[in-house]
Amino acid sequence: DAKTTQPPSMDCAEGRAANLPCNHSTISGNEYVYWYRQIHSQGPQYIIHGLKNNETNEMASLIITEDRKSSTLILPHATLRDTAVYYCIVPFHSGNTPLVFGKGTRLSVIA
Amino acid sequence: DTEVTQTPKHLVMGMTNKKSLKCEQHMGHRAMYWYKQKAKKPPELMFVYSYEKLSINESVPSRFSPECPNSSLLNLHLHALQPEDSALYLCASSQAYRNYNSPLHFGNGTRLTVT
Repeated sequence: DAKTTQPPSMDCAEGRAANLPCNHSTISGNEYVYWYRQIHSQGPQYIIHGLKNNETNEMASLIITEDRKSSTLILPHATLRDTAVYYCIVPFHSGNTPLVFGKGTRLSVIA
Repeated sequence: DTEVTQTPKHLVMGMTNKKSLKCEQHMGHRAMYWYKQKAKKPPELMFVYSYEKLSINESVPSRFSPECPNSSLLNLHLHALQPEDSALYLCASSQAYRNYNSPLHFGNGTRLTVT
């Protein structure tokens, strides 16, 4: 049980921003939110993580609500290569397991 | 390209064979992990090594035997596998186990087929 909730699938037009939501209403004060993605036949790729402040790196931005119960991953200009399954994970939320992968959101970027 | 290298990329083995999967990282990470991923399913944790000692075994059958000879290397020894063990085996590493601020970095996996 990954303790996060994500929509099963989303579509995004190429060149537009992709906004992927995640609910983590039971998150504790010292727990981070992590985002990974998995492109077909590859290993999961780390994208970004955050505690309570918004974060940005070369791949994406992470917006965390003030109450920390939800977050949004933003891919500012989606390309076809961003088509993947995106996982929102709160590590160690279920005990000693560092990453428990849920079903994630399947993002399809459409030309 | 990833900083975690797994070999081989593909492996086909019979049920009586013995084979090994290898994983290597040179990022100075002290925690290493094995995950298993069946087709169309998310990855599932198998083992965690922290400072070269086994910290977690997620009730994995004994036909899977992990080994961490040093902080850069992780092996998974396979013996007497079943066809249902066919899957993508993923290796990952992180700076430390139970460090909340330490992302896992994954290799691209070994795709194993048991015949």
